[in-house]
Amino acid sequence: GQNIDQPTEMTATEGAIVQINCTYQTSGFNGLFWYQQHAGEAPTFLSYNVLDGLEEKGRFSSFLSRSKGYSYLLLKELQMKDSASYLCAVVGSNYQLIWGAGTKLIIKP
Amino acid sequence: SAVISQKPSRDICQRGTSLTIQCQVDSQVTMMFWYRQQPGQSLTLIATANQGSEATYESGFVIDKFPISRPNLTFSTLTVSNMSPEDSSIYLCSVGLAGVSSYNEQFFGPGTRLTVL
Repeated sequence: GQNIDQPTEMTATEGAIVQINCTYQTSGFNGLFWYQQHAGEAPTFLSYNVLDGLEEKGRFSSFLSRSKGYSYLLLKELQMKDSASYLCAVVGSNYQLIWGAGTKLIIKP
Repeated sequence: SAVISQKPSRDICQRGTSLTIQCQVDSQVTMMFWYRQQPGQSLTLIATANQGSEATYESGFVIDKFPISRPNLTFSTLTVSNMSPEDSSIYLCSVGLAGVSSYNEQFFGPGTRLTVL
């Protein structure tokens, strides 16, 4: 079967750094997305990895290891507005997205 | 990117009735998708809306319950038929486009929040 695992919830402090992990087992791999979803809103694109390594984009970075079936999203200098759910999604063999359950990130002052 | 609108944004419906949700995109797109997101859960793909042919449904979803139309490259509808309280959910339309970082980035509409009494 196809499986994507993320922690259900994480808590971090404003100004700190947090790493959200995602492990996957899928039939085929054509890339991995991270999306951010604020409560009551639609998901918005954060990052895409298809090759191993770290992709940095401002305060957010995303890492991929295809051999380990593992990715993480790193958020630096956390702000209150970063409180949201973070969804990991893998592009499977048929090029459809397979979604993780999402990680709810709570930022405390 | 793409600008996607959905109508209605929310609705409260009676059991046994049907609701049609519209999705409009500001540009022509090949791939359009319909998702369901139940409270506190992730996205579940219902079907891929194919222009000019029948939609492709995922396991657990059938055309009689969720008929989909795709008359052109900018518009699609999803109908939730013979509704029950279990259909209460957010329904999201998305389109696949060649984004800055990838060839199949998905952009989402604002969603339709459906409550069935």
